[in-house]
Amino acid sequence: AQSVAQPEDQVNVAEGNPLTVKCTYSVSGNPYLFWYVQYPNRGLQFLLKYITGDNLVKGSYGFEAEFNKSQTSFHLKKPSALVSDSALYFCAVRHNTDKLIFGTGTRLQVFP
Amino acid sequence: NAGVTQTPKFRVLKTGQSMTLLCAQDMNHEYMYWYRQDPGMGLRLIHYSVGEGTTAKGEVPDGYNVSRLKKQNFLLGLESAAPSQTSVYFCASSSQGTGANVLTFGAGSRLTVL
Repeated sequence: AQSVAQPEDQVNVAEGNPLTVKCTYSVSGNPYLFWYVQYPNRGLQFLLKYITGDNLVKGSYGFEAEFNKSQTSFHLKKPSALVSDSALYFCAVRHNTDKLIFGTGTRLQVFP
Repeated sequence: NAGVTQTPKFRVLKTGQSMTLLCAQDMNHEYMYWYRQDPGMGLRLIHYSVGEGTTAKGEVPDGYNVSRLKKQNFLLGLESAAPSQTSVYFCASSSQGTGANVLTFGAGSRLTVL
């Protein structure tokens, strides 16, 4: 069965420093991977996706994610964190063409 | 352009009561979904629909029913609410093809069952 794991419940980073939010996946076949972000009291918003092609995927708000097939990982990154990036981040994998399976989420706290 | 609208935003029920959550989207999306969000468990798919008149079970369908009589609406029903159904419920929609799996979410409906 398709699944994703987010090993960190929370990531803390100082403003201006690079950030990484980790995600590993388990799929049969080619993985379709996604990152979503949830700001307080809001629904999730799409950030980026990997379907095929370049292993480095660029998304919204300066975020990018690196697909690593040998490590079965799809980590979310940003070169310089902002306080406004503080939110809950979800990794997701396509289960079939109809639906996504989400990870448990990682809370990112960026401190001034 | 409203996107995905959920009503109500908040509701408190007593055990055994019934209720319906309404989701409406104005983007002409084929696919619609109901998720629940619980601390430490992320989002879990309850039911989904791939088009008007269709529904399918997700990961945690027990205790819920859904209907998609019109393309723009997706209703989630609780026939006999239980405290375990206390959660935040999110509706989402997406288009087919290359837009599939890029979900647009509503703002959520917080349900408390006493």
